[in-house]
Amino acid sequence: QKEVEQNSGPLSVPEGAIASLNCTYSDRGSQSFFWYRQYSGKSPELIMFIYSNGDKEDGRFTAQLNKASQYVSLLIRDSQPSDSATYLCAVKYSSGGYQKVTFGIGTKLQVIP
Amino acid sequence: DGGITQSPKYLFRKEGQNVTLSCEQNLNHDAMYWYRQDPGQGLRLIYYSQIVNDFQKGDIAEGYSVSREKKESFPLTVTSAQKNPTAFYLCASSTTSGASYEQYFGPGTRLTVT
Repeated sequence: QKEVEQNSGPLSVPEGAIASLNCTYSDRGSQSFFWYRQYSGKSPELIMFIYSNGDKEDGRFTAQLNKASQYVSLLIRDSQPSDSATYLCAVKYSSGGYQKVTFGIGTKLQVIP
Repeated sequence: DGGITQSPKYLFRKEGQNVTLSCEQNLNHDAMYWYRQDPGQGLRLIYYSQIVNDFQKGDIAEGYSVSREKKESFPLTVTSAQKNPTAFYLCASSTTSGASYEQYFGPGTRLTVT
């Protein structure tokens, strides 16, 4: 069973601060990495994906990948109360010729006005 | 509008009854997936299909069945054999080309069995 570890939180940050969300994964062969945002009672919404080492930026969001350390993170700059949600880390890997994705339990983020 | 639809949004059933959850996508994605989400737990994969007329068991397939007769549709049946069927059920789809295979989710069906 491939594992994806996240701290469940809650992570509380003041409005305007940088929120840093972290995720580690067990399978060194993992190929692609995803961050989803899930508001309470709603389905997950894809924020970003990354598959190369380094940083990928999209607006206020930056995904960081370090395959050697098996670590992926999401930074949210200028955090807003509307960013308050659970953030799911997901990792894609190959198994028996199929592509599968394992999700972490998610980190709950609270942005305090 | 392209997207994934799931129906119904809420579903109530008596214990011992089978129930079928609908999932339709018009994104022209080859792959479709069913997940279950319980409070305080991550998404757990029930079944997935990467091509029409082919599907594979996920991590928690017992008590569930699926079919994939059309590219657009991937219905999930929750049978009476499923011990704890009450949960939030999520359907997703993705391409099978390119490097990422990112999955997009439908709005979900919340099933309550009493």
